[in-house]
Amino acid sequence: GESVGLHLPTLSVQEGDNSIINCAYSNSASDYFIWYKQESGKGPQFIIDIRSNMDKRQGQRVTVLLNKTVKHLSLQIAATQPGDSAVYFCAEMGIWGQNFVFGPGTRLSVLP
Amino acid sequence: NAGVTQTPKFQVLKTGQSMTLQCAQDMNHNSMYWYRQDPGMGLRLIYYSASEGTTDKGEVPNGYNVSRLNKREFSLRLESAAPSQTSVYFCASSERGQGVYEQYFGPGTRLTVT
Repeated sequence: GESVGLHLPTLSVQEGDNSIINCAYSNSASDYFIWYKQESGKGPQFIIDIRSNMDKRQGQRVTVLLNKTVKHLSLQIAATQPGDSAVYFCAEMGIWGQNFVFGPGTRLSVLP
Repeated sequence: NAGVTQTPKFQVLKTGQSMTLQCAQDMNHNSMYWYRQDPGMGLRLIYYSASEGTTDKGEVPNGYNVSRLNKREFSLRLESAAPSQTSVYFCASSERGQGVYEQYFGPGTRLTVT
């Protein structure tokens, strides 16, 4: 079956440094991916998406990289701030085409 | 514009009791979803509704039923609650726009079954 997983369950970074959160996926047929941010006590919030016909997409302080050869996705956050502390999920478009398969999440802690 | 709202925020049930989780969205989205989130397991899809009048099972539908009451509302019912259904439940809605499938999530319902 399809699955999405993460290499690192927790990540601690110094404020101002760059953060890299990784994700592996298993369904090579998936063609759409999203990164979500979830703050404590809240629902997930969309950060950035990417289609399989792209290798890289940039947003405001965030970049998503897609390596289809090894089925790997990463989220880069530039100049990490205390407000970036949260759990980050990657999700791939599921077999139904209407929903997503979520990974278990990585907790990002920003140290002062 | 409240986005996606869920009630209640917290609920404690005894094994065997029933309850309905309510969800409403004011974004005129066609698709709505129910997920559960357990520690270390991410979100898992319970049921979804691609449009008003249709519902389909997701990854973990057993023990749940849903109703798409109208375009705005999508409810999740537990007929006979079990401790294994202790979880945080999220409702979401989405509308495909220019190839973007962004899902908007509600704040969640924290359910404990004793």
